Amino acid sequence: AQSVSQHNHHVILSEAASLELGCNYSYGGTVNLFWYVQYPGQHLQLLLKYFSGDPLVKGIKGFEAEFIKSKFSFNLRKPSVQWSDTAEYFCAVNAWAGNNRKLIWGLGTSLAVNP
Amino acid sequence: DAMVIQNPRYQVTQFGKPVTLSCSQTLNHNVMYWYQQKSSQAPKLLFHYYDKDFNNEADTPDNFQSRRPNTSFCFLDIRSPGLGDAAMYLCATSRDQGNEQFFGPGTRLTVL
Repeated sequence: AQSVSQHNHHVILSEAASLELGCNYSYGGTVNLFWYVQYPGQHLQLLLKYFSGDPLVKGIKGFEAEFIKSKFSFNLRKPSVQWSDTAEYFCAVNAWAGNNRKLIWGLGTSLAVNP
Repeated sequence: DAMVIQNPRYQVTQFGKPVTLSCSQTLNHNVMYWYQQKSSQAPKLLFHYYDKDFNNEADTPDNFQSRRPNTSFCFLDIRSPGLGDAAMYLCATSRDQGNEQFFGPGTRLTVL
């Protein structure tokens, strides 16, 4: 069965530290890849996505992610985090499941950035 | 701004008392989804509509039903809420099934 694994469940950083959140998936076919963010008390919103082309994608708020097909990975990075990046981060993979495509979600990573 | 709207934002119901949550969208997307999200967990897909075609997840309890009377609106009916159904219910839309999903703010359901 398809699955998405996020390696870090809770991350605590100080402002200006660099961030890398790991995401691996298990699915052999073509996938669309997403990172969503959920700020405290707010709705889920898209950070960035990868469908095809340049495997290094840039998203909002200075985030980027790199798709490495051979490793089935789509890690999220930010060179210098801010207090406002405190949020829950979800990696998700859109893949075929039977006759439908659906999002397979990772369990999420809770990021706390200390000022 | 085009958006996904959910009403109400907070719903309190009694154990076993039916409740209906609503979702509307101005994005004109053909796919609408209902998710259940519990605290600090990933969203769990309950079902989705691809145009008028209803697609139920295999592990969605029969207690949960949905209606999509037109492109813009979708409803989640919980026929007999139990304490375990207390959660945030998220509506999302997408243009076709492979594209990014746009989420509403959610309805927080409390079951007393």
